[in-house]
Amino acid sequence: GQNIDQPTEMTATEGAIVQINCTYQTSGFNGLFWYQQHAGEAPTFLSYNVLDGLEEKGRFSSFLSRSKGYSYLLLKELQMKDSASYLCAVRDGDQAGTALIFGKGTTLSVSS
Amino acid sequence: DSGVTQTPKHLITATGQRVTLRCSPRSGDLSVYWYQQSLDQGLQFLIQYYNGEERAKGNILERFSAQQFPDLHSELNLSSLELGDSALYFCASSTGGNQPQHFGDGTRLSIL
Repeated sequence: GQNIDQPTEMTATEGAIVQINCTYQTSGFNGLFWYQQHAGEAPTFLSYNVLDGLEEKGRFSSFLSRSKGYSYLLLKELQMKDSASYLCAVRDGDQAGTALIFGKGTTLSVSS
Repeated sequence: DSGVTQTPKHLITATGQRVTLRCSPRSGDLSVYWYQQSLDQGLQFLIQYYNGEERAKGNILERFSAQQFPDLHSELNLSSLELGDSALYFCASSTGGNQPQHFGDGTRLSIL
């Protein structure tokens, strides 16, 4: 089966660092994506990992361990505007097409 | 602005009715994906088209159908609507492969 798990909610304060974890079980694997979604808005692409290791992009970094079926998104120097839902999504390489399987998202609340 | 255009933004209709949602992908993108997002289920993949042909199917009900036209725009048709079909319907597009998907602003469908 296919399963993606993320914590439902997290809280943090401005300027802090937060790590959002994601574990996945899919019959195949062909890449992991992180998206940010503000309430009522479209998801926006943050990062992509297909090989093990860390990808850094400004204040955001994403890590992947394929052997553990595990990824995390690291957000540094948190700002109030980072309050949003963060979606982990996996492309299942055993399935036809290139659709993504999404986790239910982690709602991050940043307070001052 | 992702470059993906969805119309209409809001749709209110009654049970048993039929509606059509429209999506224009980003310029140059051949793949179009449709997703449904409800509060309890998160983002669920419905169907993918690539250059006019169906590429993959997800959890799409038989009452739902889609197509992609020669100009690459896509339509999602929902018929015999039920209360449980109330959700946000997103269209996304990509160039294919492992390129990130870019999402439109969604159509909010409310069934009364």
